[in-house]
Amino acid sequence: DQQVKQNSPSLSVQEGRISILNCDYTNSMFDYFLWYKKYPAEGPTFLISISSIKDKNEDGRFTVFLNKSAKHLSLHIVPSQPGDSAVYFCAASDLDDKIIFGKGTRLHILP
Amino acid sequence: KAGVTQTPRYLIKTRGQQVTLSCSPISGHRSVSWYQQTPGQGLQFLFEYFSETQRNKGNFPGRFSGRQFSNSRSEMNVSTLELGDSALYLCASSSLPSGDTEAFFGQGTRLTVV
Repeated sequence: DQQVKQNSPSLSVQEGRISILNCDYTNSMFDYFLWYKKYPAEGPTFLISISSIKDKNEDGRFTVFLNKSAKHLSLHIVPSQPGDSAVYFCAASDLDDKIIFGKGTRLHILP
Repeated sequence: KAGVTQTPRYLIKTRGQQVTLSCSPISGHRSVSWYQQTPGQGLQFLFEYFSETQRNKGNFPGRFSGRQFSNSRSEMNVSTLELGDSALYLCASSSLPSGDTEAFFGQGTRLTVV
């Protein structure tokens, strides 16, 4: 039973355009959501997070939107840069602080 | 500030053997979580330790165990290795229990079971 789903295994976006990575979840008890970025041969690095009491959080080129009624969150990257090519993991934390990760979406930024 | 250190980086073991992986968290961090990453399953939570106590456990068989020492260093042990245990094992540390705190990951230990 996959509680955090990233339905797109990969995504290709032109440099300079907007990248939108999507994530759906099933557990309404999740109260905190995080995005991590992972380059090959490196551990994931934290990107941005959002509490369930908010619907938007912005940090530079990265914005995360949360739609609780739809149990959906998305990560927007504007403008997309070549260094953004990586695997992006959506993660959610439940009331016991257990973090559940999605399977990841590989983002390719095209020149 | 040194990051999260995992040793060894690479390991090859035979089916039926057991293995111990080590994780040294960032200095001052008391929470250590372990994850298994495989191509088909993504990052799966194994367990979390905070101040030497296991706080959370994922859905893995009892062959997977761990512990945390008083200096917050953590070890993960897998007994009776199976081919399907081949994966990248990642450790993450955070200052507080990891639920709503940024976690810092190590580079992982790549375990290959033959």
